Amino acid sequence: AQKITQTQPGMFVQEKEAVTLDCTYDTSDPSYGLFWYKQPSSGEMIFLIYQGSYDQQNATEGRYSLNFQKARKSANLVISASQLGDSAMYFCAMSLSGGSYIPTFGRGTSLIVHP
Amino acid sequence: EPEVTQTPSHQVTQMGQEVILRCVPISNHLYFYWYRQILGQKVEFLVSFYNNEISEKSEIFDDQFSVERPDGSNFTLKIRSTKLEDSAMYFCASSERRAALASYGYTFGSGTRLTVV
Repeated sequence: AQKITQTQPGMFVQEKEAVTLDCTYDTSDPSYGLFWYKQPSSGEMIFLIYQGSYDQQNATEGRYSLNFQKARKSANLVISASQLGDSAMYFCAMSLSGGSYIPTFGRGTSLIVHP
Repeated sequence: EPEVTQTPSHQVTQMGQEVILRCVPISNHLYFYWYRQILGQKVEFLVSFYNNEISEKSEIFDDQFSVERPDGSNFTLKIRSTKLEDSAMYFCASSERRAALASYGYTFGSGTRLTVV
């Protein structure tokens, strides 16, 4: 069974600085996808970025980038130039290609951006 | 941009009552899911649905829960006799393929916040 671990329950960052949110995973399946979602206080789940296990390059989407280290089984989210609107819960999730393909979520990290 | 629509956004119900949460998945998606998130806790998988039947369900999805696709567009989650511990945010999601191994992955709705009193 796959497992997602987010060890940081809360993170603080100064506006305009970069922040890294940690995510490690555990699976024996060679083919999988990793996702990050943002959940603002209003509650909706917003897709941010995706990384496939066979992707050669780290995924980037605007200010979001994914630091994918396959050997270490980590998929950390990097937010550059933090904005006040980035304050939210951030969830890492993983989906496998075989077996149970249902995305499994980590417990989330609460990010607060200070002005 | 296509989106998953959930109604209602908030629902308050008396313990023991039945509730139906509604979802309209993205039209060309074939796989549908319900997740729940108890306040402040992780997002938990409930059930997946494909080809008009449940394809996978978690331990949480007991006999109190059922899902249905009554027509070509709606996907519903029914809780027969609500308990206080059913209070949570319920998310519907849909995907085009079985395994989301691409960036178009899973699209979530905005959620229904269910409060059982």
